[in-house]
Amino acid sequence: ETGVTQTPRHLVMGMTNKKSLKCEQHLGHNAMYWYKQSAKKPLELMFVYSLEERVENNSVPSRFSPECPNSSHLFLHLHTLQPEDSALYLCASSQDGLAGGTDTQYFGPGTRLTVL
Amino acid sequence: AQSVAQPEDQVNVAEGNPLTVKCTYSVSGNPYLFWYVQYPNRGLQFLLKYITGDNLVKGSYGFEAEFNKSQTSFHLKKPSALVSDSALYFCAVRLRSYNTDKLIFGTGTRLQVFP
Repeated sequence: ETGVTQTPRHLVMGMTNKKSLKCEQHLGHNAMYWYKQSAKKPLELMFVYSLEERVENNSVPSRFSPECPNSSHLFLHLHTLQPEDSALYLCASSQDGLAGGTDTQYFGPGTRLTVL
Repeated sequence: AQSVAQPEDQVNVAEGNPLTVKCTYSVSGNPYLFWYVQYPNRGLQFLLKYITGDNLVKGSYGFEAEFNKSQTSFHLKKPSALVSDSALYFCAVRLRSYNTDKLIFGTGTRLQVFP
């Protein structure tokens, strides 16, 4: 395993539900990332946190709300999603994202989200 | 614009034969290049990276990649394919500036190794 865990692994939700995805890294890294992986599309970077501050938000709709309470945990809060938001959501971590450290990102197994 | 291209959606190869998965890039400055592999229902696993130095980089599971600056390529190779190598392979380039540090991924190439 990579040292990055994600829960739940599968999630089915209705469009009016509120749910959260959780990511935890056990690698001592200080940068964390959320990606969306849809069929037939390139991997899309959604959010980047470095040293617990959000440093990137790639025009993601407000129905996705990230939270990074500390360097080991990252959440993605979901609210009033659309069916087109169904995808695999991947979390990753690395060391010193913006501080010139190593550059290898390590990924969790992902959460398969289905929005009905 | 900074980008990565994987021109083949799928590569088929017989077990025991050499394999190549192609990647070309377009970045300003010196590129940091990566290969990741994704097995079904799993996240991406790091295979190898090129930062500087020797153009031939060796990685996990017997894979290697050759950085070619003149052709702006970073093809993934393995001398003898295994059925267990069948997976989705992603090439990525690091994009770094004063206010951003992220990976740009290609669209992925599905490798199918037949017995």
